[in-house]
Amino acid sequence: NAGVTQTPKFRVLKTGQSMTLLCAQDMNHEYMYWYRQDPGMGLRLIHYSVGEGTTAKGEVPDGYNVSRLKKQNFLLGLESAAPSQTSVYFCASSYGDLAFFGQGTRLTVV
Amino acid sequence: AQSVTQPDIHITVSEGASLELRCNYSYGATPYLFWYVQSPGQGLQLLLKYFSGDTLVQGIKGFEAEFKRSQSSFNLRKPSVHWSDAAEYFCAVVAPMKTSYDKVIFGPGTSLSVIP
Repeated sequence: NAGVTQTPKFRVLKTGQSMTLLCAQDMNHEYMYWYRQDPGMGLRLIHYSVGEGTTAKGEVPDGYNVSRLKKQNFLLGLESAAPSQTSVYFCASSYGDLAFFGQGTRLTVV
Repeated sequence: AQSVTQPDIHITVSEGASLELRCNYSYGATPYLFWYVQSPGQGLQLLLKYFSGDTLVQGIKGFEAEFKRSQSSFNLRKPSVHWSDAAEYFCAVVAPMKTSYDKVIFGPGTSLSVIP
């Protein structure tokens, strides 16, 4: 019962470096999401996908790109990391009104 | 604009004491309402939800919440807190019938500490 798995769990980047966060779900959900969580701001939606091959911008998409080449995977990319992107990133998938969240990736950009 | 507020950033209670976490929303119509809990190092887990009907809803882990339309509130309660309840709690809203999570608005969260 893996649910939603995020890789990696922790990462430290230097400003300007790039990286990709992987989210994998084994529940055959169509909808997948990437959020960032910052103190006092709750969860803010970065990008989301309503199915394989589709992506859409959320509330805070700038500086991020995503891809959904396979239904079970949703990748979040940072092309040129900035200190403002230091955050905890959560992936989720949903079916109807039920959402399932990964354990989060703590990213620090120095 | 639609919004969710959780007036208490941090709350500390003694183990065994009662708990109430506040949630207020600003929405054009009565939204669907959720409470999520995030334990340290974990993702969010759904505690309970309200769509319609009985305004007092029961959730997991002994939590309940009451929807009060007149106050635009959906406060979370627990009669007796356990040390394992220490976590971050998020209230969330979404327009009725639009429960894909790209439309869900999360509150800023309330951090709960429990004193033994």
